[in-house]
Amino acid sequence: NAGVTQTPKFQVLKTGQSMTLQCAQDMNHNSMYWYRQDPGMGLRLIYYSASEGTTDKGEVPNGYNVSRLNKREFSLRLESAAPSQTSVYFCASSVSARTSGRNEQYFGPGTRLTVT
Amino acid sequence: GEDVEQSLFLSVREGDSSVINCTYTDSSSTYLYWYKQEPGAGLQLLTYIFSNMDMKQDQRLTVLLNKKDKHLSLRIADTQTGDSAIYFCAEIDNAGNMLTFGGGTRLMVKP
Repeated sequence: NAGVTQTPKFQVLKTGQSMTLQCAQDMNHNSMYWYRQDPGMGLRLIYYSASEGTTDKGEVPNGYNVSRLNKREFSLRLESAAPSQTSVYFCASSVSARTSGRNEQYFGPGTRLTVT
Repeated sequence: GEDVEQSLFLSVREGDSSVINCTYTDSSSTYLYWYKQEPGAGLQLLTYIFSNMDMKQDQRLTVLLNKKDKHLSLRIADTQTGDSAIYFCAEIDNAGNMLTFGGGTRLMVKP
Protein backbone atom coordinates (compact mmCIF):
# COMPACT_ATOMS: atom_id res chain seq x y z
CA ASN A 1 0.00 0.00 0.00
CA ALA A 2 1.95 3.00 -1.33
CA GLY A 3 -0.60 5.67 -0.33
CA VAL A 4 -0.19 8.80 -2.48
CA THR A 5 2.62 8.81 -5.03
CA GLN A 6 3.86 11.72 -7.14
CA THR A 7 6.17 11.96 -10.13
CA PRO A 8 8.60 13.46 -10.78
CA LYS A 9 10.31 14.34 -7.47
CA PHE A 10 12.28 17.22 -9.00
CA GLN A 11 11.92 19.22 -12.21
CA VAL A 12 13.60 22.26 -13.72
CA LEU A 13 11.79 24.09 -16.53
CA LYS A 14 12.54 27.12 -18.63
CA THR A 15 9.96 29.90 -18.80
CA GLY A 16 7.28 29.00 -21.33
CA GLN A 17 7.80 25.25 -21.22
CA SER A 18 4.95 22.93 -20.31
CA MET A 19 4.81 19.88 -18.11
CA THR A 20 2.42 17.58 -16.28
CA LEU A 21 2.77 16.51 -12.67
CA GLN A 22 1.36 13.07 -11.98
CA CYS A 23 -0.37 11.84 -8.84
CA ALA A 24 -1.88 8.48 -7.98
CA GLN A 25 -3.47 7.01 -4.87
CA ASP A 26 -4.24 3.41 -4.01
CA MET A 27 -6.56 3.99 -1.05
CA ASN A 28 -9.79 4.01 -3.09
CA HIS A 29 -10.36 7.64 -2.11
CA ASN A 30 -12.99 9.65 -3.92
CA SER A 31 -11.43 13.10 -3.55
CA MET A 32 -8.04 14.39 -4.67
CA TYR A 33 -6.28 17.74 -4.33
CA TRP A 34 -3.33 19.73 -5.65
CA TYR A 35 -1.55 22.23 -3.39
CA ARG A 36 1.50 24.41 -3.75
CA GLN A 37 3.79 25.24 -0.85
CA ASP A 38 5.78 28.45 -0.75
CA PRO A 39 8.04 29.54 2.13
CA GLY A 40 6.12 31.05 5.03
CA MET A 41 2.77 30.68 3.28
CA GLY A 42 1.69 27.19 4.21
CA LEU A 43 -0.10 25.22 1.52
CA ARG A 44 -2.54 26.78 -0.90
CA LEU A 45 -5.13 24.78 -2.80
CA ILE A 46 -4.80 24.96 -6.59
CA TYR A 47 -7.56 22.58 -7.74
CA TYR A 48 -9.46 19.69 -6.30
CA SER A 49 -11.60 16.83 -7.55
CA ALA A 50 -14.39 15.88 -5.18
CA SER A 51 -15.14 12.74 -7.20
CA GLU A 52 -14.18 11.07 -10.45
CA GLY A 53 -15.29 13.23 -13.35
CA THR A 54 -15.44 16.52 -11.43
CA THR A 55 -12.87 19.24 -10.83
CA ASP A 56 -13.13 22.61 -9.09
CA LYS A 57 -10.88 25.62 -8.62
CA GLY A 58 -9.19 26.26 -5.34
CA GLU A 59 -7.54 29.39 -4.04
CA VAL A 60 -4.81 29.80 -6.71
CA PRO A 61 -5.89 28.11 -9.99
CA ASN A 62 -4.49 30.59 -12.52
CA GLY A 63 -1.83 29.12 -14.80
CA TYR A 64 -2.82 25.50 -14.08
CA ASN A 65 -5.12 22.86 -15.47
CA VAL A 66 -6.06 19.48 -14.01
CA SER A 67 -7.38 16.15 -15.22
CA ARG A 68 -9.01 13.50 -13.09
CA LEU A 69 -8.05 10.60 -15.34
CA ASN A 70 -9.80 7.94 -13.25
CA LYS A 71 -10.47 7.35 -9.57
CA ARG A 72 -6.78 6.73 -8.86
CA GLU A 73 -5.08 9.48 -10.84
CA PHE A 74 -5.17 13.27 -10.78
CA SER A 75 -2.71 15.25 -12.90
CA LEU A 76 -1.70 18.91 -12.80
CA ARG A 77 -0.56 20.65 -15.98
CA LEU A 78 1.41 23.84 -16.42
CA GLU A 79 0.85 24.95 -20.02
CA SER A 80 3.38 27.79 -20.04
CA ALA A 81 5.55 27.79 -16.94
CA ALA A 82 6.48 31.07 -15.25
CA PRO A 83 9.09 31.77 -12.53
CA SER A 84 6.20 32.55 -10.14
CA GLN A 85 5.27 28.87 -10.37
CA THR A 86 8.53 27.82 -8.73
CA SER A 87 7.27 25.93 -5.71
CA VAL A 88 6.81 22.55 -4.09
CA TYR A 89 3.65 20.84 -5.29
CA PHE A 90 1.76 18.36 -3.14
CA CYS A 91 -1.01 16.02 -4.12
CA ALA A 92 -3.44 14.74 -1.48
CA SER A 93 -6.45 12.47 -1.31
CA SER A 94 -9.32 11.90 1.07
CA VAL A 95 -12.22 9.51 1.40
CA SER A 96 -14.67 12.18 0.32
CA ALA A 97 -15.03 15.92 0.23
CA ARG A 98 -18.39 17.58 0.65
CA THR A 99 -19.31 15.54 3.68
CA SER A 100 -19.91 16.43 7.27
CA GLY A 101 -17.05 14.19 8.26
CA ARG A 102 -13.55 15.28 9.03
CA ASN A 103 -12.26 14.71 5.48
CA GLU A 104 -8.80 13.59 6.58
CA GLN A 105 -6.34 14.25 3.77
CA TYR A 106 -3.31 12.09 3.00
CA PHE A 107 -0.36 13.73 1.25
CA GLY A 108 2.21 12.60 -1.27
CA PRO A 109 5.94 13.38 -0.90
CA GLY A 110 5.86 16.41 -3.20
CA THR A 111 7.40 17.61 -6.47
CA ARG A 112 9.97 20.37 -6.27
CA LEU A 113 9.63 22.54 -9.40
CA THR A 114 12.01 25.32 -10.42
CA VAL A 115 11.20 27.59 -13.35
CA THR A 116 14.11 29.66 -14.66
CA GLY B 1 -11.89 35.01 3.54
CA GLU B 2 -10.33 32.51 5.89
CA ASP B 3 -6.93 33.27 7.38
CA VAL B 4 -4.89 31.03 9.64
CA GLU B 5 -1.84 32.41 11.43
CA GLN B 6 1.01 30.83 13.33
CA SER B 7 4.31 32.00 14.74
CA LEU B 8 7.26 31.05 12.55
CA PHE B 9 9.67 29.43 14.94
CA LEU B 10 9.90 27.66 18.31
CA SER B 11 12.98 26.26 20.02
CA VAL B 12 12.84 23.96 23.05
CA ARG B 13 15.15 21.61 24.91
CA GLU B 14 14.69 17.86 24.74
CA GLY B 15 12.35 16.70 27.49
CA ASP B 16 10.56 20.04 27.80
CA SER B 17 7.00 20.67 26.64
CA SER B 18 6.37 22.51 23.39
CA VAL B 19 3.32 24.65 22.76
CA ILE B 20 2.52 25.72 19.22
CA ASN B 21 -0.22 28.31 18.78
CA CYS B 22 -2.57 29.11 15.93
CA THR B 23 -5.37 31.60 15.32
CA TYR B 24 -8.05 31.16 12.71
CA THR B 25 -10.92 33.24 11.40
CA ASP B 26 -13.60 30.89 10.06
CA SER B 27 -15.91 30.29 13.00
CA SER B 28 -17.96 27.81 10.96
CA SER B 29 -15.08 25.32 10.64
CA THR B 30 -16.24 21.91 11.85
CA TYR B 31 -12.79 20.42 12.26
CA LEU B 32 -9.36 21.85 12.96
CA TYR B 33 -6.19 19.93 12.28
CA TRP B 34 -2.52 19.71 13.11
CA TYR B 35 -0.16 18.39 10.46
CA LYS B 36 3.56 17.63 10.76
CA GLN B 37 6.06 18.01 7.92
CA GLU B 38 9.52 16.50 8.19
CA PRO B 39 12.30 17.70 5.86
CA GLY B 40 11.75 16.67 2.26
CA ALA B 41 8.46 14.94 3.02
CA GLY B 42 4.77 15.56 2.61
CA LEU B 43 2.40 16.47 5.40
CA GLN B 44 1.30 13.88 7.91
CA LEU B 45 -1.89 14.31 9.93
CA LEU B 46 -1.00 14.37 13.62
CA THR B 47 -4.34 15.00 15.23
CA TYR B 48 -7.59 16.89 14.82
CA ILE B 49 -10.32 18.32 17.01
CA PHE B 50 -14.01 18.68 16.39
CA SER B 51 -15.29 22.21 16.87
CA ASN B 52 -17.61 21.32 19.76
CA MET B 53 -14.70 20.07 21.86
CA ASP B 54 -12.42 22.14 24.09
CA MET B 55 -9.61 19.65 24.46
CA LYS B 56 -8.36 16.45 22.95
CA GLN B 57 -5.50 14.32 24.27
CA ASP B 58 -3.66 11.72 22.23
CA GLN B 59 -0.60 10.23 23.97
CA ARG B 60 1.97 13.06 24.13
CA LEU B 61 -0.21 15.45 22.18
CA THR B 62 -2.83 17.76 23.68
CA VAL B 63 -4.98 20.02 21.51
CA LEU B 64 -6.77 22.95 23.10
CA LEU B 65 -9.49 24.88 21.29
CA ASN B 66 -10.84 28.24 22.40
CA LYS B 67 -13.70 28.98 20.03
CA LYS B 68 -14.47 32.36 21.53
CA ASP B 69 -10.96 33.60 20.76
CA LYS B 70 -10.56 31.39 17.67
CA HIS B 71 -7.35 30.04 19.13
CA LEU B 72 -5.96 26.54 18.69
CA SER B 73 -2.87 25.14 20.36
CA LEU B 74 -0.84 21.96 20.19
CA ARG B 75 1.11 20.87 23.23
CA ILE B 76 3.78 18.18 22.84
CA ALA B 77 4.85 16.68 26.16
CA ASP B 78 8.39 15.38 26.70
CA THR B 79 9.54 16.77 23.35
CA GLN B 80 12.11 14.60 21.55
CA THR B 81 14.63 15.42 18.81
CA GLY B 82 12.44 13.39 16.44
CA ASP B 83 9.70 15.98 16.96
CA SER B 84 11.80 18.57 15.11
CA ALA B 85 9.69 19.48 12.08
CA ILE B 86 7.32 22.10 10.72
CA TYR B 87 3.85 22.01 12.24
CA PHE B 88 0.83 23.34 10.37
CA CYS B 89 -2.60 24.06 11.72
CA ALA B 90 -5.48 23.96 9.27
CA GLU B 91 -9.21 24.57 9.21
CA ILE B 92 -11.75 23.11 6.83
CA ASP B 93 -14.47 25.12 5.13
CA ASN B 94 -18.11 24.57 5.90
CA ALA B 95 -18.67 22.54 2.75
CA GLY B 96 -15.90 20.12 3.69
CA ASN B 97 -13.94 20.85 0.53
CA MET B 98 -11.00 23.08 1.26
CA LEU B 99 -8.34 23.07 3.92
CA THR B 100 -6.81 26.45 4.75
CA PHE B 101 -3.35 26.13 6.25
CA GLY B 102 -1.34 28.40 8.47
CA GLY B 103 2.19 29.30 7.40
CA GLY B 104 3.72 26.65 9.64
CA THR B 105 5.80 26.75 12.84
CA ARG B 106 9.30 25.32 12.67
CA LEU B 107 10.01 23.43 15.90
CA MET B 108 13.65 22.91 16.77
CA VAL B 109 14.47 20.53 19.63
CA LYS B 110 17.92 20.92 21.16
CA PRO B 111 19.51 17.89 22.84
